[in-house]
Amino acid sequence: QQQVKQSPQSLIVQKGGISIINCAYENTAFDYFPWYQQFPGKGPALLIAIRPDVSEKKEGRFTISFNKSAKQFSLHIMDSQSGDSATYFCAARIFGNEKLTFGTGTRLTIIP
Amino acid sequence: GAGVSQSPRYKVAKRGQDVALRCDPISGHVSLFWYQQALGQGPEFLTYFQNEAQLDKSGLPSDRFFAERPEGSVSTLKIQRTQQEDSAVYLCASSLSNPTMNTEAFFGQGTRLTVV
Repeated sequence: QQQVKQSPQSLIVQKGGISIINCAYENTAFDYFPWYQQFPGKGPALLIAIRPDVSEKKEGRFTISFNKSAKQFSLHIMDSQSGDSATYFCAARIFGNEKLTFGTGTRLTIIP
Repeated sequence: GAGVSQSPRYKVAKRGQDVALRCDPISGHVSLFWYQQALGQGPEFLTYFQNEAQLDKSGLPSDRFFAERPEGSVSTLKIQRTQQEDSAVYLCASSLSNPTMNTEAFFGQGTRLTVV
């Protein structure tokens, strides 16, 4: 059973545009939702994370939007740059449990 | 080093061979995790240690998989009698272990295992 569903599988965005990646979860016990960025040959690195007590969190060009009632959250990358080309994973974790459940990933390509 | 270190980076094993993958976590990190990442997929949890105690091994796919962290620092993931379906990147992560404060997990670069 896939507990965190991620879409799209791949995404092509023009430089300067907005990249949007969506995730949906099933387990209402999840209460911490991080996004990870992974470059080829590297391990995932934490990008930004949110708790469900807020609907939005912004860090620089990266914003997480969270809809608790719909059990959905999304990553928005504003003014997308070539260096943002990578694979992005959403994830979820239950309070008090450090195990992460990952989505299937989105391969983002920024084109000139 | 400053980050999580894994070795070897690449491992090719013949089907049926035993392999051992090593993880050196960030110094002082209490929690250590192993994840398996198949090609084009997200990482999937294998097992979790807090110091030397293996608190969760629910993700280990079969009894051919075994992990240890005898002194609460370096960890080894061992796969016995490797099968082709074991081919994947094996990621190790460590954290300071305060889940109530959502401490960050830092990942290593992974070991790419190919079983031929």
